[in-house]
Amino acid sequence: EVQLLESGGGLVQSGGSLRLSCAASGFTFSNYAMNWVRQAPGKGLEWVSRIRSSGDSTYYADSVKGRFTISRDNSKNTLSLKMNSLRVEDSAVYYCTKGGHYGDYDFWGQGTLVTVSS
Amino acid sequence: QTVVTQEPSFSVSPGGTVTLTCGLSSGSVSSNYYPSWYQQTPGQAPRMLIYNTNLRSSGVPDRFSGSILGNKAALTITGAQADDESHYYCVLYVHSGGVFGGGTKLTVL
Repeated sequence: EVQLLESGGGLVQSGGSLRLSCAASGFTFSNYAMNWVRQAPGKGLEWVSRIRSSGDSTYYADSVKGRFTISRDNSKNTLSLKMNSLRVEDSAVYYCTKGGHYGDYDFWGQGTLVTVSS
Repeated sequence: QTVVTQEPSFSVSPGGTVTLTCGLSSGSVSSNYYPSWYQQTPGQAPRMLIYNTNLRSSGVPDRFSGSILGNKAALTITGAQADDESHYYCVLYVHSGGVFGGGTKLTVL
């Protein structure tokens, strides 16, 4: 059974930093791309970042480019998102998602809440 | 900038059929965008229903189907049930990332 367990969310001041982690199990982690998708309170979904299976290529939404860094440790089945220069508009539930074969998100974690205060 | 459009809301009667669409503010949606669809109920993480335009995810009832209709991707629910009342999101694969639509709130009544 695929499981994705996010951690690291919390309350941070504007301009601060936070690191999210996602522990993956139930599949061969090193074979799949992984993503972060977020959802602001009461709003829709927004793709944030993607990393290829080997970790050699990363991609970002324009809204976070230059501030967020996605990474992975295939030896520990762990995905991370380092978030710097946080803004109030970055407040959201952040979901770790497993990448499917067609750019889709076939499994989702339960999410971790990030709140950025002004 | 790619903007993906969805109907903000839709309603369907129990047992009825409804088609939700996913378009582009500029241009047409084709299978080259690998459209996928997700269902989200309040307080829960989304779950994938359809991927690569028309492939059902494991365990998804066959009353859910995906297609391209005209210049949009479409999600059709045939024989709607009360627990289909949810938010539905489409996403298009663009530039190695995804662009989500704003979502459709489906009411079954």
